[in-house]
Amino acid sequence: GQQLNQSPQSMFIQEGEDVSMNCTSSSIFNTWLWYKQDPGEGPVLLIALYKAGELTSNGRLTAQFGITRKDSFLNISASIPSDVGIYFCAGHGSGTYKYIFGTGTRLKVLA
Amino acid sequence: EAQVTQNPRYLITVTGKKLTVTCSQNMNHEYMSWYRQDPGLGLRQIYYSMNVEVTDKGDVPEGYKVSRKEKRNFPLILESPSPNQTSLYFCASSPDIRQHNEKLFFGSGTQLSVL
Repeated sequence: GQQLNQSPQSMFIQEGEDVSMNCTSSSIFNTWLWYKQDPGEGPVLLIALYKAGELTSNGRLTAQFGITRKDSFLNISASIPSDVGIYFCAGHGSGTYKYIFGTGTRLKVLA
Repeated sequence: EAQVTQNPRYLITVTGKKLTVTCSQNMNHEYMSWYRQDPGLGLRQIYYSMNVEVTDKGDVPEGYKVSRKEKRNFPLILESPSPNQTSLYFCASSPDIRQHNEKLFFGSGTQLSVL
């Protein structure tokens, strides 16, 4: 099945630094979702985006729906140790009944 | 509390012994889906259901069965498990995937090991 190209695959950053990651698709999407997953746990929805160009924040997290509708970006500002985990995107196009998932960005924060 | 509940959380079984992983949601969602997550492969869809009595194959349906007799429940059945079905499984639900403002909510996962 199709998967989204998510980058970077992993990041090691210092506490307090900002983080950026992105997802790209060969298809146009109507919805982008961003999740965080802790080891052995279920993904938790962070941000949902529904319109091209939309910029949405959730605390220190900000995500954008790309203008081309083929990409999305997630930024984390002033990272803290509890930001550690795997972040992944999911996209959904019109006329389909399935979500496509990115392969994830593994984030590690060094105190 | 609105949630997707999977059971069991951990399961160790032997090859060929039929098992069922249950999934229940209390949000009156129409859409439910099962995924497996394997290292390096991300989340792959096994089966999904648009509503009661409506199910369809995802990307990796071989070796699995599902049923949707009630709106809230969507069990995953492995009739004859094999070691290559060792994986972390997630159930998820959404109000209506055809709407333009849907969100997908996941359960906490079931770690299955088939010996």
